[in-house]
Amino acid sequence: EDQVTQSPEALRLQEGESSSLNCSYTVSGLRGLFWYRQDPGKGPEFLFTLYSAGEEKEKERLKATLTKKESFLHITAPKPEDSATYLCAVQAMQNAGNMLTFGGGTRLMVKP
Amino acid sequence: NAGVTQTPKFQVLKTGQSMTLQCAQDMNHEYMSWYRQDPGMGLRLIHYSVGAGITDQGEVPNGYNVSRSTTEDFPLRLLSAAPSQTSVYFCASSPRTGAETQYFGPGTRLLVL
Repeated sequence: EDQVTQSPEALRLQEGESSSLNCSYTVSGLRGLFWYRQDPGKGPEFLFTLYSAGEEKEKERLKATLTKKESFLHITAPKPEDSATYLCAVQAMQNAGNMLTFGGGTRLMVKP
Repeated sequence: NAGVTQTPKFQVLKTGQSMTLQCAQDMNHEYMSWYRQDPGMGLRLIHYSVGAGITDQGEVPNGYNVSRSTTEDFPLRLLSAAPSQTSVYFCASSPRTGAETQYFGPGTRLLVL
């Protein structure tokens, strides 16, 4: 059974204080790992897709990395507008369709 | 492009009532799906479709029906609502089946009394 665990559940940072969010996964053949951002009352907004260990992707203050067992979302010098819940999801090779298995998310709060 | 749209935004139902949650996309995507999001459970797949006329069950399909008569629309039907179906429902679409980015709609918040 595919599983995704995100930690911490919640993270408070001061503006400018860099940190990392963790996504640990077990999957029988990874097709892709996805990061989404979700603001309160809104749908998940796509950030990154990673396909193989060693891959990295960046967008503004965010950088996602992937190993065979986990992914990290590094946030450099965060701003209050980065406050949101960050979701990690995996897609397995064996799954029919595009089923994503999601973690519980990390709620990030950045104080000015 | 409007992307993925969902209606209504919020709905209150009584136990046993039926309703249809609407989902539409204007990106000509082949793949569409429905997820529900519950506190502590994450997002879970209900049903999905890989093209017009083709649907299949996801992880939590019981109590829900779907159909896909056009590429654009993928409605989700609750035949007899139960309190356990109180949740936030998200529709998503992607260009094709595979490791494709899925784009989510804004969600429908459903309360079943």
